[in-house]
Amino acid sequence: QKEVEQDPGPLSVPEGAIVSLNCTYSNSAFQYFMWYRQYSRKGPELLMYTYSSGNKEDGRFTAQVDKSSKYISLFIRDSQPSDSATYLCAMSPSNTGKLIFGQGTTLQVKP
Amino acid sequence: DAGVIQSPRHEVTEMGQEVTLRCKPISGHNSLFWYRQTMMRGLELLIYFNNNVPIDDSGMPEDRFSAKMPNASFSTLKIQPSEPRDSAVYFCASSLSRVAKNIQYFGAGTRLSVL
Repeated sequence: QKEVEQDPGPLSVPEGAIVSLNCTYSNSAFQYFMWYRQYSRKGPELLMYTYSSGNKEDGRFTAQVDKSSKYISLFIRDSQPSDSATYLCAMSPSNTGKLIFGQGTTLQVKP
Repeated sequence: DAGVIQSPRHEVTEMGQEVTLRCKPISGHNSLFWYRQTMMRGLELLIYFNNNVPIDDSGMPEDRFSAKMPNASFSTLKIQPSEPRDSAVYFCASSLSRVAKNIQYFGAGTRLSVL
């Protein structure tokens, strides 16, 4: 079993929809949780960064961490075609930079 | 800011040849990471440096892989000899460790094809 599980999709939604992306993990030591967005043939770029549990909001993006369930989510409100990309969750037990990534979920937002 | 710069963007080589990938981190960043991304295994950390010193190379798949960071503005990942299963996209990332090592900025990657 992988330490971090993420449904690869693809996920296709109409423009304006609310998108929910999720990851589950098995290592209870994870404390740092990140979401990266990766456009085709580009490097990943950091979207959200969360320490421990709780919610974090940035514009149309909300990240949630539920450590009791070992489950993290990224919500995208009012999705746009420009949000079409692969979304990768990443986690670490400490601030060492040693990140464990999920496989990524490919999202397509149709106009 | 130019961001993390990787070269070459694409590399096609034959099995058995030596391959050298290059990375210039963001100026002022003192942690550097090398990753490999494949469809099967996703994004995997190979090795990372802190202040030019290799800290953890447990992700390096075999002795055929080696990485160096001779100074704060340059790093190389070398594969010798290369094999078809090394075909992947290799990313370099950097971070400012005194703030948050986990906040990493990625380059555009080098797409390697070993024939």
